[in-house]
Order: sequence, then C-alpha cells, then structure tokens
Amino acid sequence: GESVGLHLPTLSVQEGDNSIINCAYSNSASDYFIWYKQESGKGPQFIIDIRSNMDKRQGQRVTVLLNKTVKHLSLQIAATQPGDSAVYFCAETSYGNNRLAFGKGNQVVVIP
Amino acid sequence: NAGVTQTPKFRVLKTGQSMTLLCAQDMNHEYMYWYRQDPGMGLRLIHYSVGEGTTAKGEVPDGYNVSRLKKQNFLLGLESAAPSQTSVYFCASRPGSKTQYFGPGTRLLVL
Repeated sequence: GESVGLHLPTLSVQEGDNSIINCAYSNSASDYFIWYKQESGKGPQFIIDIRSNMDKRQGQRVTVLLNKTVKHLSLQIAATQPGDSAVYFCAETSYGNNRLAFGKGNQVVVIP
Repeated sequence: NAGVTQTPKFRVLKTGQSMTLLCAQDMNHEYMYWYRQDPGMGLRLIHYSVGEGTTAKGEVPDGYNVSRLKKQNFLLGLESAAPSQTSVYFCASRPGSKTQYFGPGTRLLVL
C-alpha cells in the first residue's frame, strides 16, 4: 500500500458523517490556498481553492474555510464516503511566487 | 487530454547508475515542477521551470538535473543514483493560475 500516510495525523470518521481537516499555514503573505487529495498509489488531485479575499468557498460536498487572523485553513467534507479515504494536503502561495508550500498532510480513514 | 503523464511508473536502480524520468503534459502549461515524496515528509520541490528553456532550483536540488527543451516535456535526471534518492517522484504543471496538476508518480528504488 501507499507509504505516504506513515506518521501522519489520522482522522477516522464513520461513513455518512462530516469530516473536518485542519491546516495551519505559516506565511502571513500567502494569498492563495489549495486543498489536494491523494489516494493510495496516485498523484495529488486538486479539490478546491480559495483566495485570501474570501472566508469560505463551497464545492461539491466540500467547503473550505479560511481564517487569516489565526492563519488557519480547514476542509469540510459532507457525508463522508469510503472513496474519501485518502491523504489530504493543504498548500499555500503568494502573489508573484511560482512555488507552492505544502503541508505534511492528514490521513482520513472512512469506516464503513 | 491525457493531462500529466510520467514515464516510467516504477524503476529499480543500482547505486551509481543513471536514469532520466520523463514528464509530459498536453495542456500547453507554462510551468512545470518536479517533486519527491517520502513517508511523513510531504512533497518537496526538486526543480521547476517557468517556461520552455528555463529551469530553477527548488528545495532539494542536489543530485538531480533537469531540462525543458520542449514546452510539453520536463526531464529529471539522476546522474549517479544513491539509496537516499529512493522515493516517489511527482511531476506537476500549471497554466498562469496557481493550481498545479499532478502526474501519477514514478516509484524509484535505489539499491
């Protein structure tokens, strides 16, 4: 199986419940944030993004919340499904920066 | 649209051998990136390119070289592989916006 999840914070959630994954970012100049999902044996997949002029953005079953005051980002997954089992990464960047800074990731395990 | 593809999917090398990992994208993206991913360490940037003919160092460039001779291809070379380069390598590309799109990865084992 995929070894990227070793030693990562793990969230175990019952199927059908809501999941909340948290991310603290370090750079107060960051103005663009992305959540990625990485399933076992696959590359990271874009889920949703948010700019710093927003506090909340919703997608299909996912919501990202941004609190710039405390430099905190969260991803909420509604009605979690077995296919949501994966490692979730947040990433941040700023205007003029060609690079993304990635968090170490959070493992989500969905219990059927 | 195949998106971002990587070749090979898996490779075993002996210490001191060389190899080239190929990344190709068919989305006409300007920017391309090479990362390595190790257990518990997240994604670390090796090298990147902001356009055809350009390359720049990332966070962990030592032991690797890259070339971007064509816009759609970004090559990552290991001249003399070491066991510390055992990892999963991901390529990504992006257009002018910030979101990067990743390939499926290349698993490299150096013995």
